[in-house]
Amino acid sequence: DAGVIQSPRHEVTEMGQEVTLRCKPISGHNSLFWYRQTMMRGLELLIYFNNNVPIDDSGMPEDRFSAKMPNASFSTLKIQPSEPRDSAVYFCASYQGFENSPLHFGNGTRLTVT
Amino acid sequence: AQSVTQLGSHVSVSEGALVLLRCNYSSSVPPYLFWYVQYPNQGLQLLLKYTSAATLVKGINGFEAEFKKSETSFHLTKPSAHMSDAAEYFCAVLNRDDKIIFGKGTRLHILP
Repeated sequence: DAGVIQSPRHEVTEMGQEVTLRCKPISGHNSLFWYRQTMMRGLELLIYFNNNVPIDDSGMPEDRFSAKMPNASFSTLKIQPSEPRDSAVYFCASYQGFENSPLHFGNGTRLTVT
Repeated sequence: AQSVTQLGSHVSVSEGALVLLRCNYSSSVPPYLFWYVQYPNQGLQLLLKYTSAATLVKGINGFEAEFKKSETSFHLTKPSAHMSDAAEYFCAVLNRDDKIIFGKGTRLHILP
C-alpha cells in the first residue's frame, strides 16, 4: 500500500498563474478530503468527496478554487488565478469510513505564490 | 456543530517527564474523537481514536487519552517523554456529515 500520493511536493509560481494539485487516494477508500494548512489558520477543510461526488465544498475560500474527482483514484485541486495569500501546505486525505480505517494523509504539497 | 479546542499552541516538557496535551470538545451528540500527530514535512498520522467504547484509549508510541464527558475533555498523555515525541499534535472530532474537524494544534517541544 503506497499510501495517499500527492504531487507535486513543492510548487512555486507567480501570482496570477494557474496551479493544479494532484492526489491519488488509497485504493478502496471512498472518501477524499482536501485540507489547507497555514500558521495563521491551522488545518482547514476545503472540500470533501464521497464516492467521487462533492459532498461539502463550504470550506473552499472563493471561486478561484475548484476541485474535481473524475474517478475513484484521482482528484485535483485547482487555483486560478493564484494569489500570494494562497501560499500554504495543501493536504489530501482519504478513508473508507472512520469505523473501518483512520484518515490517511498524503505528505502534502507546499505551495508558494510570489 | 461539533468542534474542538486545544489549549496551548506550544508545550515544552523535559525528556522523561509527563506529557499532557489538552483538548476540549463541543458536541451535542456523543462524539467520535481523535488525536493525530504531524512530524515535520509530513502529513498527519492517527495516534488514537475514541468511538464510545472504553473511555481510556491507548494509542501508538505509548500515548493514551481519556474521554471525560463531565469535563468535555479528551486530553492526551504519555508518562515519559522521548525526544522523538517532538511534533505537532492535533485533536479532532467527527461531525454529523462524516467530516473530521481539527483543532489548531499543539507543538510539543522536548527539552534534553
